[in-house]
Amino acid sequence: QMQLQESGPGLVKPSETLSLICNVSGGSITGYYWTWIRQPAGKGLEWIGRIYDNGVTMYNPSLNSRVTMSVDTSKNHFSLRLNSVTAADTAVYYCARERWLEEFDYWGQGTLVTVSS
Amino acid sequence: QTVVTQEPSFSVSPGGTVTLTCGLSSGSLSTTYYPSWYQQTPGQAPRTLIYNTKIRSSGVPDRFSGSIVGNKAALTITGAQAEDESDYYCVLYMGSGGWVFGGGTKVTVL
Repeated sequence: QMQLQESGPGLVKPSETLSLICNVSGGSITGYYWTWIRQPAGKGLEWIGRIYDNGVTMYNPSLNSRVTMSVDTSKNHFSLRLNSVTAADTAVYYCARERWLEEFDYWGQGTLVTVSS
Repeated sequence: QTVVTQEPSFSVSPGGTVTLTCGLSSGSLSTTYYPSWYQQTPGQAPRTLIYNTKIRSSGVPDRFSGSIVGNKAALTITGAQAEDESDYYCVLYMGSGGWVFGGGTKVTVL
């Protein structure tokens, strides 16, 4: 059974960079799109972007200038960097696998990232 | 940017039927937006109910069904059960804009 696990700092200072890694176990990272989705407390879901195993990315236009995703197939993980964060970036961040144009079928448990000084 | 619209809340009686909808702030929705539906309970990651408009994800009870109704995607729960009380999100594929989630619908079963 495939499992995804987010890891990274739970607290980031304003204007700094949020960095998260999603470790994929129970299956290969190759052949799929890998996605980051976030959810502020009490609010809805927001798609941040996706990366394919060859490193091709697509980002949410509203976040495009601040987001960078990368993938390391040798370590079976992918990562998210979001720079110049503000309090508005405080959210639970989920990683997920996308079956292309179908569904996000495997999800991590989510990790809370708080932006605060 | 196009906004994906959903009803904020719905209430349904146990055993009853409810239809949630997902639309666009401008324009008509079609299958080419690959609408899908997710269920989320508090503290949990979302899980897929329906993808590609009407395909039920693995393990999803057949009381959940998806369709296009008029110019909106729809999720129907037929014979609602207490455990269906959740938040429901639709998400649409906007091409170069990637995926866009609706604001979610909170369903209460009472």
